[in-house]
Amino acid sequence: GDSVTQMEGPVTLSEEAFLTINCTYTATGYPSLFWYVQYPGEGLQLLLKATKADDKGSNKGFEATYRKETTSFHLEKGSVQVSDSAVYFCALSDRRSGGSNYKLTFGKGTLLTVNP
Amino acid sequence: SQTIHQWPATLVQPVGSPLSLECTVEGTSNPNLYWYRQAAGRGLQLLFYSVGIGQISSEVPQNLSASRPQDRQFILSSKKLLLSDSGFYLCAWGGRVSNQPQHFGDGTRLSIL
Repeated sequence: GDSVTQMEGPVTLSEEAFLTINCTYTATGYPSLFWYVQYPGEGLQLLLKATKADDKGSNKGFEATYRKETTSFHLEKGSVQVSDSAVYFCALSDRRSGGSNYKLTFGKGTLLTVNP
Repeated sequence: SQTIHQWPATLVQPVGSPLSLECTVEGTSNPNLYWYRQAAGRGLQLLFYSVGIGQISSEVPQNLSASRPQDRQFILSSKKLLLSDSGFYLCAWGGRVSNQPQHFGDGTRLSIL
């Protein structure tokens, strides 16, 4: 079955540091890939997405590139801020034929803490 | 634009009491709807999903049930809560195109005493 593996952390960085959160996946079909962010006490918010190989998703200074050859979708940000402190989830939606339900498979989440 | 509402935001219930959590979506028709639970820690567990009115699929056997009485309404219920039902419950909606993401509500924090 489908699976998503991401570094569990926690990750602690100083403000303005470079961030990488690794995410790799296995899927039998042609998945779309997503990063979600969850701030304390809140629901998940879509951060960025990529729907096919070599697509780069970007939002709020975060980027991730869909790498089919390495089955990866690593999240990066050049300069993190204290306000980026949150839990980050990598997820995939497998584009299987038949039916209209597209379930998400999530990684376990990575807690990021950014110190001033 | 589409919005999703969940209530209540927090709930404290005694063991053995019933439960009803409600989720409604606005601004879209015929969405796929999902209930997740996030236990202590961070992992998300899909509990139920629905592709239409009255159509419910259960992902894990448990003490909970779900219903979809209207197109944009999704309800999570229990007749008798267990301590293990404590957690953060999230409702989400998704489109019917494969590359569309799911969109989440703000969640309900459920504590069982």
